[in-house]
Amino acid sequence: KQEVTQIPAALSVPEGENLVLNCSFTDSAIYNLQWFRQDPGKGLTSLLLIQSSQREQTSGRLNASLDKSSGRSTLYIAASQPGDSATYLCAVSLAGANSKLTFGKGITLSVRP
Amino acid sequence: EPEVTQTPSHQVTQMGQEVILRCVPISNHLYFYWYRQILGQKVEFLVSFYNNEISEKSEIFDDQFSVERPDGSNFTLKIRSTKLEDSAMYFCASRGDPDTQYFGPGTRLTVL
Repeated sequence: KQEVTQIPAALSVPEGENLVLNCSFTDSAIYNLQWFRQDPGKGLTSLLLIQSSQREQTSGRLNASLDKSSGRSTLYIAASQPGDSATYLCAVSLAGANSKLTFGKGITLSVRP
Repeated sequence: EPEVTQTPSHQVTQMGQEVILRCVPISNHLYFYWYRQILGQKVEFLVSFYNNEISEKSEIFDDQFSVERPDGSNFTLKIRSTKLEDSAMYFCASRGDPDTQYFGPGTRLTVL
């Protein structure tokens, strides 16, 4: 059974800092991995999707990497801003286009002005 | 930009009552999902739907739950007899091509 872990559960950084959020998964036979942002009481906003054949994806100040063999992904946020404060969720799907996502519990990020 | 919509945003019901949660997926998507998130816990998969039938369901999705795509746009989740432990945020998602799943804003279900 696929398990997704995100540690630490919470992180507080000063504005402007570059930071890395970690995600690990137990079954390396993934189809793809998605990073989401969730604001309190709100839905999930997709940030980046990495296919199993890819090593990284970039969108603006965000860069996500994937090391399938070691079961790890990282989300790098450059020059963090208070508006980046949210919970960041990692989710993986196993083989198959219709496959469900299995989520980690998320990392709650607070960026201090 | 197209988005997934869900109604209602908040539903309060009495234990034992039936509820129907509604979703309008992105129009050209073919794969549909329901997930739920109990307060403070992980987002959990409930069911996936493709070609007008369930393609996968979790152990949570028991006989009290059902899904329908009654017309070309709506996708519904019905809970026949709600329990206290059904209180959660319910998210609908849809997927087209490429593989990104797009989530709606959620329906907060409160069972009293």
